[in-house]
Amino acid sequence: DTGVSQDPRHKITKRGQNVTFRCDPISEHNRLYWYRQTLGQGPEFLTYFQNEAQLEKSRLLSDRFSAERPKGSFSTLEIQRTEQGDSAMYLCASSSISRDPGYFGPGTRLLVL
Amino acid sequence: RKEVEQDPGPFNVPEGATVAFNCTYSNSASQSFFWYRQDCRKEPKLLMSVYSSGNEDGRFTAQLNRASQYISLLIRDSKLSDSATYLCVVNRPNAGNMLTFGGGTRLMVKP
Repeated sequence: DTGVSQDPRHKITKRGQNVTFRCDPISEHNRLYWYRQTLGQGPEFLTYFQNEAQLEKSRLLSDRFSAERPKGSFSTLEIQRTEQGDSAMYLCASSSISRDPGYFGPGTRLLVL
Repeated sequence: RKEVEQDPGPFNVPEGATVAFNCTYSNSASQSFFWYRQDCRKEPKLLMSVYSSGNEDGRFTAQLNRASQYISLLIRDSKLSDSATYLCVVNRPNAGNMLTFGGGTRLMVKP
């Protein structure tokens, strides 16, 4: 499968714990995006990378959130001291540097108890 | 005002009906427009790009009106399998071509 993959697919954690998600983009894609989606809403942009550089961060991305793409390939999104409001689907997408649309991975569904 | 606005629906239509969704966007600098489809508890999947001249893909027709900052999607001869949420998506050209999503319009096609 040469699509975008994400791991884990589901995560249940207790409030206050740290969680980390991984995204493996389509191999030739330079751009990688993280989005968050809650029930009944469209995906909301969190951050994006061009190669290993993090070029934009949404104000939705509080200090508890950090994302990395150390070698310009896979990316990780870490949430520290999780809160119940962090419960959502975290979606990763990748695209080439041209105007092509993003292709999404299956998402990681997070539930904070 | 949201950057991309859609009627959330739901639109309940019988099989075979024609249904149209509309979307408005606020950033006049946007250059790329798309419709995505999202099934329940799944990731969004690209349905089609939207071109200035309008474009068609089988039963689906997309149109763009730049002057009014308005995008539409027409589905003809609706199938049960068309039941999904349709997301209007616009790029933000000054932010790495990042995509801005509308809240989605839910379609339910009934037998």
